[in-house]
Amino acid sequence: GAGVSQSPSNKVTEKGKDVELRCDPISGHTALYWYRQRLGQGLEFLIYFQGNSAPDKSGLPSDRFSAERTGESVSTLTIQRTQQEDSAVYLCASSLGGRRGYTFGSGTRLTVV
Amino acid sequence: AQSVTQLDSQVPVFEEAPVELRCNYSSSVSVYLFWYVQYPNQGLQLLLKYLSGSTLVKGINGFEAEFNKSQTSFHLRKPSVHISDTAEYFCAVSPSSNTGKLIFGQGTTLQVKP
Repeated sequence: GAGVSQSPSNKVTEKGKDVELRCDPISGHTALYWYRQRLGQGLEFLIYFQGNSAPDKSGLPSDRFSAERTGESVSTLTIQRTQQEDSAVYLCASSLGGRRGYTFGSGTRLTVV
Repeated sequence: AQSVTQLDSQVPVFEEAPVELRCNYSSSVSVYLFWYVQYPNQGLQLLLKYLSGSTLVKGINGFEAEFNKSQTSFHLRKPSVHISDTAEYFCAVSPSSNTGKLIFGQGTTLQVKP
């Protein structure tokens, strides 16, 4: 597609439930990133996929968070046993490499009640 | 590893006044530098980027930024702001290679008053 697509755009879930967030990157983009943006705060790096290399998971806040990406296509971010502090906008970005810039999706707003 | 510090969390300014939003970074390797803007309830939009060459970079909406290697800074400026510039501004850095993660500062809220 023309841009980075994220779904759902909004998700309300009960505390303790698992959620799965999806990101469709721009076709051909080798790099894919997940960020978390809490209300009124900056973008917190979560995980980074680059081609077939092992992902950089250094930003994942706990073992309740995991992400997968098959090849250079769709990625899913899974949060298990959600907590209220997981409430945030989760942003996905894709890139052909730093020099060519990064394109962001519109995000998924997750609310844990 | 890279890090970014945006020195001001909020910058109030009157319409048609000049503004500077400050950004400092640290890195052990050469970097690319970016400024993104996030308007209320919207996604991130690239304002401008520094890759190499001229240290003064011009972006969209009349914004410009200057890369200062000795000061490790990449401050964003606009000579005359509009109400519509009210938004959150993020400075970001990535290693100057085809791999490596993009790291953001905490953001600066620009509040333009009439």
